[in-house]
This record gives sequence, structure tokens and C-alpha cells, in this order.
Amino acid sequence: GAVVSQHPSRVICKSGTSVKIECRSLDFQATTMFWYRQFPKKSLMLMATSNEGSKATYEQGVEKDKFLINHASLTLSTLTVTSAHPEDSSFYICSARDAQASVVETQYFGPGTRLLVL
Amino acid sequence: EDKVVQSPLSLVVHEGDTVTLNCSYEVTNFRSLLWYKQEKKAPTFLFMLTSSGIEKKSGRLSSILDKKELFSILNITATQTGDSAVYLCAATNYGQNFVFGPGTRLSVLP
Repeated sequence: GAVVSQHPSRVICKSGTSVKIECRSLDFQATTMFWYRQFPKKSLMLMATSNEGSKATYEQGVEKDKFLINHASLTLSTLTVTSAHPEDSSFYICSARDAQASVVETQYFGPGTRLLVL
Repeated sequence: EDKVVQSPLSLVVHEGDTVTLNCSYEVTNFRSLLWYKQEKKAPTFLFMLTSSGIEKKSGRLSSILDKKELFSILNITATQTGDSAVYLCAATNYGQNFVFGPGTRLSVLP
């Protein structure tokens, strides 16, 4: 099946620094990628929808200046958490929609990135 | 506002038991309902349902959708410890947005 990778899988950073998380579709082209955030024992919360070559669409309540999303190619989207604070500590998961899939709901999840801000 | 509700939020059973997980939704321009299993990392896809009354099966798992009553159930028969996970349901609309429910945490004891 299709594979989506995320890097890094785990990151610890100091408060005030910025952290970049990469999401790659390894064997398919993804015109759309989604970024989710998951708190412990909670469900996935969609943060933003990232479309290749255009600006990301952010969900209500998500600060676009804090969570910078770039989808520069059909296989790569990045999420940068700027000036990270301890409350940004969370599990971030991306998913990618296969541009060639006949079923539009087909999305493949990355393994997630656990961010801890000290 | 679109929302998905799951029940129960947590469930503990013994191996061999049968469980039924519930998912109800209120989504404008509803298109499909999906079930995922999440263990330690990212969710893995189980089923996608678009039509009422048609049961989908995969081994010991089955699921059905009722578009009139706006709910779906996921059944797991003869549960095993490997079924322990969080089961997420998500509803999509024609804008292709996903709305996830809070998940049901299933623990299967030996």
C-alpha cells in the first residue's frame, strides 16, 4: 500500500525555538495533505489542509502564523511550529490524499511526530 | 457545526467477547463514514461506508451504516488481545473534509 513518512518521529525542543516537521508521500503524488493534532486519549483534530502550490486552509482556532505549512511539491508538505511553547507539545500526524485514487476519501496517514517543548 | 459522537468512550472486555462500537454523526452534505483502528501511532483504515444497510466485513470485523438515523456500528466478534486499540470513526462531506469522533478505547483482557 501507499506509504507516508514523517520526520522526525520525535523531537524535544526548548521553549521559543521553531520546529519543522516533514511529511512525505513515498510512492504516490499527493495534491492534498492534511495536518492533525492529537492530545493524549483524544481524537484527531484537523489543523489545516495543505494543497500543493497554494496556501493552506486552516481550521478555526488554528493560528496560521504559528503553524506554518508549506506544500512545495506533490510529495512533500512541512509544518513549522514557530516559537514553540510547552502547550504546543502534542502528537502531530499528517495524511496524504492520493491524487490518482478513484475514491476521494483515500488518505494515508504518516506515523506521527511527537513534539515535546520544554 | 459538524460533529461525530462515539460511544462508549471506553470498553473493557475479555477475549472471546463480542463488542459493538457506536458512531453517530451530524455532518452537512454527508458523503461517507470511515472507521480506523489506532494503536500506538497513526490510524489504519478499516472500512468506508457510503450506502445504508450494506454490511462490510473483514474477518471478525463488520460495519454497517444507517443514513436515515445517522449512525454506524462496528462489530468485533471473538475479540482477541490484539484488538485492543482506539477505534475512530470519521464522517466526510462533499467538501472532502474529515470530522473525527473522540474514539472508543477498547481493551481486551486475556
